[in-house]
Amino acid sequence: AQKVTQAQTEISVVEKEDVTLDCVYETRDTTYYLFWYKQPPSGELVFLIRRNSFDEQNEISGRYSWNFQKSTSSFNFTITASQVVDSAVYFCALSEDNYGQNFVFGPGTRLSVLP
Amino acid sequence: EPEVTQTPSHQVTQMGQEVILRCVPISNHLYFYWYRQILGQKVEFLVSFYNNEISEKSEIFDDQFSVERPDGSNFTLKIRSTKLEDSAMYFCASSGGSSYNEQFFGPGTRLTVL
Repeated sequence: AQKVTQAQTEISVVEKEDVTLDCVYETRDTTYYLFWYKQPPSGELVFLIRRNSFDEQNEISGRYSWNFQKSTSSFNFTITASQVVDSAVYFCALSEDNYGQNFVFGPGTRLSVLP
Repeated sequence: EPEVTQTPSHQVTQMGQEVILRCVPISNHLYFYWYRQILGQKVEFLVSFYNNEISEKSEIFDDQFSVERPDGSNFTLKIRSTKLEDSAMYFCASSGGSSYNEQFFGPGTRLTVL
């Protein structure tokens, strides 16, 4: 069965610092999909990125970047020049199914960005 | 942009009462899901639904729970006799259309059982 681990329970940084959130996954499938979601204090789940297992290119979107390393089964998320609005819980998730089923979330990392 | 909607945003009920949480998935999606998040904990899968039947369910989804797609747009989660430990945020999600492997989540319904 698939599993997602986010070893960092809570992280605090000061505004403008860079921060990396770790995600390690386990799966027996060769085809799978990885996701990051943000959950701000208001509670909704905000989609950030989807990556399939065949695409190991790193991705950058503004201040966000993701580092996918199949060799270490990791899909880490970096926020550059963090802002107070980045304060949220961030979830990494894994799906082994082509139709979005078998969706497993990690335990989440609570990021606090202090002014 | 199409989105998943959920009603109500917050439901308060007495222990032992039945509740129905409602969701309207994205219209061309074929797969529907319910997740639960107890306060401060991780998001847990409850059930997935496809072609008018449950395709997968977790251990949490016991006989107290049921899902239904009563018409072409709504997807409901019923809890027959609520317990205190059912208090949580319940998220509905859907997938399909052009993005099969991405689930789109609704804003959640916060259920409080007193």
